[in-house]
Amino acid sequence: SAVISQKPSRDICQRGTSLTIQCQVDSQVTMMFWYRQQPGQSLTLIATANQGSEATYESGFVIDKFPISRPNLTFSTLTVSNMSPEDSSIYLCSVDVPGRRYGYTFGSGTRLTVV
Amino acid sequence: DAKTTQPNSMESNEEEPVHLPCNHSTISGTDYIHWYRQLPSQGPEYVIHGLTSNVNNRMASLAIAEDRKSSTLILHRATLRDAAVYYCIPNYGGSQGNLIFGKGTKLSVKP
Repeated sequence: SAVISQKPSRDICQRGTSLTIQCQVDSQVTMMFWYRQQPGQSLTLIATANQGSEATYESGFVIDKFPISRPNLTFSTLTVSNMSPEDSSIYLCSVDVPGRRYGYTFGSGTRLTVV
Repeated sequence: DAKTTQPNSMESNEEEPVHLPCNHSTISGTDYIHWYRQLPSQGPEYVIHGLTSNVNNRMASLAIAEDRKSSTLILHRATLRDAAVYYCIPNYGGSQGNLIFGKGTKLSVKP
């Protein structure tokens, strides 16, 4: 299966600032997904990022708040903009592995605390 | 997307089998049934998936009901490392699909 490197692993940020999270995959993948996991909750899909096109956002998530870049088939970034304490969560990227033998692979996540 | 129902939590003793149930009565004919688990402080990891037939791999077995409205993940001998939240996710089998997570079942394993 693919190996995902997600950076940073954790950060503490001031409210009103922005944080960009990077997701690097060791192989080319068609689709990359960004999830949010609020404390004690399950994962919620934020958006799907395809290379060469704009990201598709789920209901309740907007591009101005969570801009996503997907410059090539191995890399994506998610920015959490104008942060508030409610944005404190774990953010995870995931990829669809070609052939689906091993299912989707997830990064280890970015634990974000907004103070 | 198909809705799933799983127990909030289950307990098992170490080295005993565990059967984790999932109801997915609204599953479509093209949805695979995926199981993922999330160990503490980690991202989810793939466990197993199937369409109609029962499936086995080195981690677990997946038993799928004949009408596909329910499935059961079977851990043959639970270990302490199997303590995790287990998610049952019906998912389109093609590459355009994404995973929609429900609340899952938190499995505790007692020594």
